[in-house]
Amino acid sequence: SQQGEEDPQALSIQEGENATMNCSYKTSINNLQWYRQNSGRGLVHLILIRSNEREKHSGRLRVTLDTSKKSSSLLITASRAADTASYFCATSGSGGSNYKLTFGKGTLLTVNP
Amino acid sequence: GAGVSQSPSNKVTEKGKDVELRCDPISGHTALYWYRQSLGQGLEFLIYFQGNSAPDKSGLPSDRFSAERTGGSVSTLTIQRTQQEDSAVYLCASTQAQWGVYGYTFGSGTRLTVV
Repeated sequence: SQQGEEDPQALSIQEGENATMNCSYKTSINNLQWYRQNSGRGLVHLILIRSNEREKHSGRLRVTLDTSKKSSSLLITASRAADTASYFCATSGSGGSNYKLTFGKGTLLTVNP
Repeated sequence: GAGVSQSPSNKVTEKGKDVELRCDPISGHTALYWYRQSLGQGLEFLIYFQGNSAPDKSGLPSDRFSAERTGGSVSTLTIQRTQQEDSAVYLCASTQAQWGVYGYTFGSGTRLTVV
């Protein structure tokens, strides 16, 4: 079953604008991760935020986590055409299920030059 | 190796035939995962290996699907008597720890088409 649900399903912006994608999940987590996928093939790990963290930065990426609302957001600043891809959130469960990630269906981001 | 390697990258097979998909993880990564992604969908978990053992096979869709891992390294996913609904991209990932505390490194996947 899907744990993470991304919102929106698709997002189209102009180069230079910021892109925000949201993820909601249902059960308690150990950590939440964001991945990018180009052209329906391999996924690339972007950033990981632990359940006791509220915000994390990596380059042009900013991730927030609100465990009380069971939600996370990924902000990409100053977007580029090369950022065009699908973005997935994935959760690592707490307790006995912390060894595997459960993925949402993703947000398709299109950055227009 | 430098990354996770999967072969073949594309496979077209006739309904009813068996197929083998191969995954070569990053050296030293003890945890290995297989996922399946149907068109426009998220990733569906299939199986998890820790070393050569598979403590979680709960995602395998039917007994036509099996997987093994040898030498704590290469893994093979076998689909017997393929059906059209098996068409998907099969992704392998590895990580250095079993507790999901690090990101996964994914291979580029095998696109399986059953005709």
